[in-house]
Amino acid sequence: AIQMTQSPSSLSASVGDRVTITCRASQGVRNTLGWFQQKPGTAPKLLVYEASSLPSGVPSRFSGSGSGTDFTLTISSLQPEDFATYYCLQNYNYPYTFGQGTKLEI
Amino acid sequence: QVRLVESGGGAVQPGESLRLSCAASGFTFRNYPMQWVRHAPGRGLEWVGYIRSDGSNAYYGDSVKGRFTISRDNSNNIVFLQMDSLRLEDTAIYFCAKEDWGLPRDWGQGTRVTVSS
Repeated sequence: AIQMTQSPSSLSASVGDRVTITCRASQGVRNTLGWFQQKPGTAPKLLVYEASSLPSGVPSRFSGSGSGTDFTLTISSLQPEDFATYYCLQNYNYPYTFGQGTKLEI
Repeated sequence: QVRLVESGGGAVQPGESLRLSCAASGFTFRNYPMQWVRHAPGRGLEWVGYIRSDGSNAYYGDSVKGRFTISRDNSNNIVFLQMDSLRLEDTAIYFCAKEDWGLPRDWGQGTRVTVSS
């Protein structure tokens, strides 16, 4: 199975900061990667698909980039509601695999 | 709008079985693949499996392969997760999700499974 390695595992930041989370795949996955946000006690929410596309309703302060093995999720100006854990997920081949998560503390 | 409601969770002992259900509404269920994802306490998300829209094929995560089976009833808009030979490490909240762009896009609220002796 493809291994996804996220960094950092936790991150402390302030409202208004620009934050970047990275995800590295153990082999190339083209652009078949998504990013999810999960808040405690709730279901995850899809933020980015195909590495850089945002579903409708996702704020434009979120952006994704990368292809192959290295990917980033950037939040351009942190808002208080962005406190959450973020995960990448490769959907290049089965079994799909998540990164271990990045806990963002405001 | 899309609505997914999981049910069937509960407390079981190691080695026992459990079947989860996910009732779907608000979209044409038979046209969409479905996925299951779980979240164990204190751990990250884990991808459990996928089933094709017509139910003809399914794929599983390494830790559940051979023990879990995903199926669906397109007449009644339900997807199932049959979990056999349950282990302590299967304790988690289980989510079903509607797939879009190859990813779990719309999620249910989850159902809790506890495996304990």
